[in-house]
Amino acid sequence: SQQGEEDPQALSIQEGENATMNCSYKTSINNLQWYRQNSGRGLVHLILIRSNEREKHSGRLRVTLDTSKKSSSLLITASRAADTASYFCATDATAAGNKLTFGGGTRVLVKP
Amino acid sequence: KAGVTQTPRYLIKTRGQQVTLSCSPISGHRSVSWYQQTPGQGLQFLFEYFSETQRNKGNFPGRFSGRQFSNSRSEMNVSTLELGDSALYLCASSERGLDEQYFGPGTRLTVT
Repeated sequence: SQQGEEDPQALSIQEGENATMNCSYKTSINNLQWYRQNSGRGLVHLILIRSNEREKHSGRLRVTLDTSKKSSSLLITASRAADTASYFCATDATAAGNKLTFGGGTRVLVKP
Repeated sequence: KAGVTQTPRYLIKTRGQQVTLSCSPISGHRSVSWYQQTPGQGLQFLFEYFSETQRNKGNFPGRFSGRQFSNSRSEMNVSTLELGDSALYLCASSERGLDEQYFGPGTRLTVT
């Protein structure tokens, strides 16, 4: 399986702190995406980073990609209670066919 | 634009029955993907349709099938339900395929 592995599985922080989570994958990718899921609902796309990019920003989100280490990180700065959710990385890899392969997710709890 | 809609939102079925779930993608989106989410296996890809053609299929038994209509609406069918089919079934649409998928709220299926 080329499923991404996310670390940590769970994270608890205070409002205002930064949250960092990591995703590792096994094979070369075309792009890597991060999604957020609240309470077992549908996923919301956060950011996409292509294999030839190293860093992307979107609001309070910063994503890095290190293809040599086959890993990515998602940083949420100045977290808010509303950021409480599960965060998933998903990889698009040619070897995996025309589909996204999701990691196991990181559960983030932001305490007010 | 209206988001991805899925019907029904909740469903309770008995082992051995069959079920059909429906997904209406965002207007203009031609790609529809289906995922199964369970606590044990996480998010797993079922299949993807583009312009009424199945482009890829995940590692699920033949009891799981789908189709897409000319208006891009999609249905998935599970026959001879098993207890292990209890899950949140998510549908996602996109313009072309793997970039930025928009997810629906999901259908929670319980098999008793």
